[in-house]
Amino acid sequence: QQQVKQSPQSLIVQKGGISIINCAYENTAFDYFPWYQQFPGKGPALLIAIRPDVSEKKEGRFTISFNKSAKQFSLHIMDSQPGDSATYFCAASRRGNKLVFGAGTILRVKS
Amino acid sequence: GAVVSQHPSWVICKSGTSVKIECRSLDFQATTMFWYRQFPKQSLMLMATSNEGSKATYEQGVEKDKFLINHASLTLSTLTVTSAHPEDSSFYICSARGGVRAGAGSLTDTQYFGPGTRLTVL
Repeated sequence: QQQVKQSPQSLIVQKGGISIINCAYENTAFDYFPWYQQFPGKGPALLIAIRPDVSEKKEGRFTISFNKSAKQFSLHIMDSQPGDSATYFCAASRRGNKLVFGAGTILRVKS
Repeated sequence: GAVVSQHPSWVICKSGTSVKIECRSLDFQATTMFWYRQFPKQSLMLMATSNEGSKATYEQGVEKDKFLINHASLTLSTLTVTSAHPEDSSFYICSARGGVRAGAGSLTDTQYFGPGTRLTVL
């Protein structure tokens, strides 16, 4: 119940394309869903986060879509660029509790 | 976003020695700090959660006598790997959560991560 399942494990997208990463959770008590971007040898950086009272949140080229009934959320990266090549982690938590991370998705954007 | 620093960024030590890693929240007060370790091409594994002024809560399977955590102030937490062995070699990352800077508009659950510390035990 504490797991967050992330897919795909790796993803190759052409420059300018849309990158889509999906996550699913079981624990309906989760109420905070962030996405982190991590470059090799660096710590994760918060990209965008959402709460279940909204179905979509957009910040620049990054959009989270949230489906409460399906217990799924996804990250869309529009106009993907080579600089977006990194590992992306979804996560979930109940307010005030620890984050549960997905396994990560390695994104490569081909120029 | 808020800034979290770690020191050192990398360390190489001999087997049997102890290593201390510092985690600092630079522009906010962190009521809670987390310590993770990450192996190559894997996700982050939470080791422990520490609240300022109280004992850390360790995840199942993490030896609290080996990984000593101190959270003495709202801006500093330390992780000491005692009697390090080669299997302790890993990427250690801290994160901080707590008060939010005025005008930042961040969610109160937000964890800000440090840059990580690469530990190599010979």
